[in-house]
Amino acid sequence: NAGVTQTPKFQVLKTGQSMTLQCAQDMNHEYMSWYRQDPGMGLRLIHYSVGAGITDQGEVPNGYNVSRSTTEDFPLRLLSAAPSQTSVYFCASSYRGGGRTTDTQYFGPGTRLTVL
Amino acid sequence: AQSVAQPEDQVNVAEGNPLTVKCTYSVSGNPYLFWYVQYPNRGLQFLLKYITGDNLVKGSYGFEAEFNKSQTSFHLKKPSALVSDSALYFCAVRHYGNTPLVFGKGTRLSVIA
Repeated sequence: NAGVTQTPKFQVLKTGQSMTLQCAQDMNHEYMSWYRQDPGMGLRLIHYSVGAGITDQGEVPNGYNVSRSTTEDFPLRLLSAAPSQTSVYFCASSYRGGGRTTDTQYFGPGTRLTVL
Repeated sequence: AQSVAQPEDQVNVAEGNPLTVKCTYSVSGNPYLFWYVQYPNRGLQFLLKYITGDNLVKGSYGFEAEFNKSQTSFHLKKPSALVSDSALYFCAVRHYGNTPLVFGKGTRLSVIA
């Protein structure tokens, strides 16, 4: 198993550009989520999904869109990048069904995004 | 709403000494508590979790954590620190249902040789 993979590892954007951060998992996990990590702020939830076709907003969803067309993939879209979106982005996945919210979340290696 | 507090931004400890990284939580209902570690330029790695049962939970790399319901705490401990334990540690909580994992702000552990 590759686990949770993220691409790209690094990205530099100009203000106003758009891009998609890719996330994939091969563990057949229902639950997937996106976090951003900023110094002194810990990890903040952007969006999450409890299964294909279902997404919901987290703590800091503004400026980001997601979709979940398959169990394996959960891309994060920045429609018009802003310097405030400079951050490290992590994707995570876990089982979630039949009350298995106790299951461990597994994290990808992260994408370091800089918006100029 | 659920929340996690890690009151110390930085913890320094000498190699060989015991270490404690503190975590307190707030959640309605029974909490499910987790500790993760992040090494430089890496993703988060799972250390241990408390779901139910014994209040002392043992995890990876010799770490353990004690769940204290009356104090709403879940402190991470290790009897003898190693320099290689130096990293950023995150406490997280969720409760039963469709709730995402909520993280604390992290505590940077520095083990000095």
